[in-house]
Amino acid sequence: DTGVSQDPRHKITKRGQNVTFRCDPISEHNRLYWYRQTLGQGPEFLTYFQNEAQLEKSRLLSDRFSAERPKGSFSTLEIQRTEQGDSAMYLCASSNGVHTEAFFGQGTRLTVV
Amino acid sequence: AQSVTQLDSQVPVFEEAPVELRCNYSSSVSVYLFWYVQYPNQGLQLLLKYLSGSTLVKGINGFEAEFNKSQTSFHLRKPSVHISDTAEYFCAVSVYNQGGKLIFGQGTELSVKP
Repeated sequence: DTGVSQDPRHKITKRGQNVTFRCDPISEHNRLYWYRQTLGQGPEFLTYFQNEAQLEKSRLLSDRFSAERPKGSFSTLEIQRTEQGDSAMYLCASSNGVHTEAFFGQGTRLTVV
Repeated sequence: AQSVTQLDSQVPVFEEAPVELRCNYSSSVSVYLFWYVQYPNQGLQLLLKYLSGSTLVKGINGFEAEFNKSQTSFHLRKPSVHISDTAEYFCAVSVYNQGGKLIFGQGTELSVKP
């Protein structure tokens, strides 16, 4: 296993377009987390899944954001009608239990122009 | 609500000198504590964690941290830094019974100069 994989690594989109990111966690990990990181800041929690169930969503996750983990394996994060304020690094992490080490992917850098 | 404060946004230090990166947290319930490192354009890598037991924890790359409950601190230390330690360091907490999500500090940029 090569770790947590995110695709694409970079995405440039025009304001108002929809974008979708994918995260493939470490295969035996049942927990998957999404974070957003803006320049000069620490990552901020967006949402997490235990298997296919989405158990918590941050208030940061507006109605334009949706995440899925349909079979408890990979996850997608979709942003509809992107805004310039959505420009950030989107990080995915997975773990095999609560309070165990979370392994992070390299992130998807979104730029909205 | 929980919060994490990293007291220094930037720490410049010369190679082979000791370094301490400071972290304070605020929480009314029990937390678990972590330090992560982020190299440019990379994801985060766990340096060390405190879940319970000895308050002095050792991590990778020669780093260690001490949990101080009374001062609600979890400072990261290394006795002798290398150029390769240049990176962004994040302190984070995870609250008991809240699913394992991490609350991060703002980060400290460690710059090691020759």
